[in-house]
Amino acid sequence: EIVMTQSPATLSVSPGERATLSCRASQSVSSNLAWYQQKPGQTPRLLIYGASTRATGIPARFSGSGSGTEFTLTISSLQSEDFAVYYCQQYNNWPYTFGQGTKLEIK
Amino acid sequence: EVQLVESGGGLVQPGGSLRLSCAASGLTFSSYWMHWVRQAPGKGLVWVSHIKSDGSSTNYADSVKGRFTISRDNAKNTLYLQMNSLRVEDTAVYYCARDSYRGFDPWGQGTLVTVSS
Repeated sequence: EIVMTQSPATLSVSPGERATLSCRASQSVSSNLAWYQQKPGQTPRLLIYGASTRATGIPARFSGSGSGTEFTLTISSLQSEDFAVYYCQQYNNWPYTFGQGTKLEIK
Repeated sequence: EVQLVESGGGLVQPGGSLRLSCAASGLTFSSYWMHWVRQAPGKGLVWVSHIKSDGSSTNYADSVKGRFTISRDNAKNTLYLQMNSLRVEDTAVYYCARDSYRGFDPWGQGTLVTVSS
């Protein structure tokens, strides 16, 4: 099973600033990596797929990069609605696995 | 608009059974692989099971293998998860999700399963 490790567990950032979230895979997942956003009490929402492609309707301030085992989600200028928990997921090998999540909180 | 609506959750005693349903609309249901993902209270997302578009192949997390069965009825646009021999650690919100072949999108609103005596 591929283990996905996200860092940091919690990230405190001020509105308007940039946030950088990391995700590492225990073995290569090529570019088969997705990022999801989950707000309290809400269902997860797909943000990024293929490591770097924004899903439909996702603002341009969200960007993804990386391949193989190292991936990054960047939010260029944080808005109030961006404070949430973010998960990465590999869909290269069964079982598909998620990271443990990064909580993005207001500083 | 693609919609997934789960139902069937509730309170069950350890060792009991539940059947979850996920009704799909706004998509050609029979064209997509489907998944169940769960989230224990205050915890992260855990993939549970998947089924191919025609139901010919399934896959399970080790933690539920032999106890849970995923199935689908493409004529009714509905996905199922039969959960037997439930354990306290199965307590979670269960989400169904479409495999868009580019990640899971969309997800249903989830249904809460509580296993407790």
